[in-house]
Amino acid sequence: EVQLVESGGGLVKPGGSLRLSCAASGSTFSSYNMNWVRQAPGKGLEWVSSISIRSGYIYYADSVQGRFTISRDNAKNSLYLQMNSLRAEDTAVYYCASEKVTALVYDAFDIWGQGTMVTVSS
Amino acid sequence: DIQMTQSPSTLSASVGDRVTITCRASQSISSWLAWYQQKPGKAPNLLIYKASSLETGVPSRFSGSGSGTEFTLTISSLQPDDFATYYCQQYDTYSRTFGQGTKVEIK
Repeated sequence: EVQLVESGGGLVKPGGSLRLSCAASGSTFSSYNMNWVRQAPGKGLEWVSSISIRSGYIYYADSVQGRFTISRDNAKNSLYLQMNSLRAEDTAVYYCASEKVTALVYDAFDIWGQGTMVTVSS
Repeated sequence: DIQMTQSPSTLSASVGDRVTITCRASQSISSWLAWYQQKPGKAPNLLIYKASSLETGVPSRFSGSGSGTEFTLTISSLQPDDFATYYCQQYDTYSRTFGQGTKVEIK
């Protein structure tokens, strides 16, 4: 089973950029479709982006399309989220999450990291 | 995008109660629905996938049912560790939308 640890969060000004990382260990990272999910303070969960095993399929929520870029490096067992043109409404805890390893195109998220906080404020 | 609507938003219950949470999808998602439990300051934890399949390690007092557009999560006998917020999530499409959450509080 994979373990996930996010890093890279912090305080950034509106319009700024930040790059989040998610380090995987304990299993074969390259076997998992990966996702970013965020949660604004006191709010619910919002799916942000997903990337397939070999990066052939990449999807974004409308709220981040054109501003965020998801990527992965299977050789480094790492997932990334490059966040540009940040807005106050992007303030949230960002979780990386892996999907169950099945034959399905999409599946439930069975492993989550502990999250990293991103605060966008002047 | 598919919209997911949970009810109720908040539920007050006592230890030992049977609890049911409902999740409705804006269009059919077959059985591609998951339920998660989240406690304050923690990451979500997968309970149920494919509408009714219990994730490994999850107590059998949790169960899920439904298909198409209407789904339920049932806790057969509420335990102290179950007071938390519960989310449904559809994965019929690439946009994996979540419900708004149901907070289960102590009565």
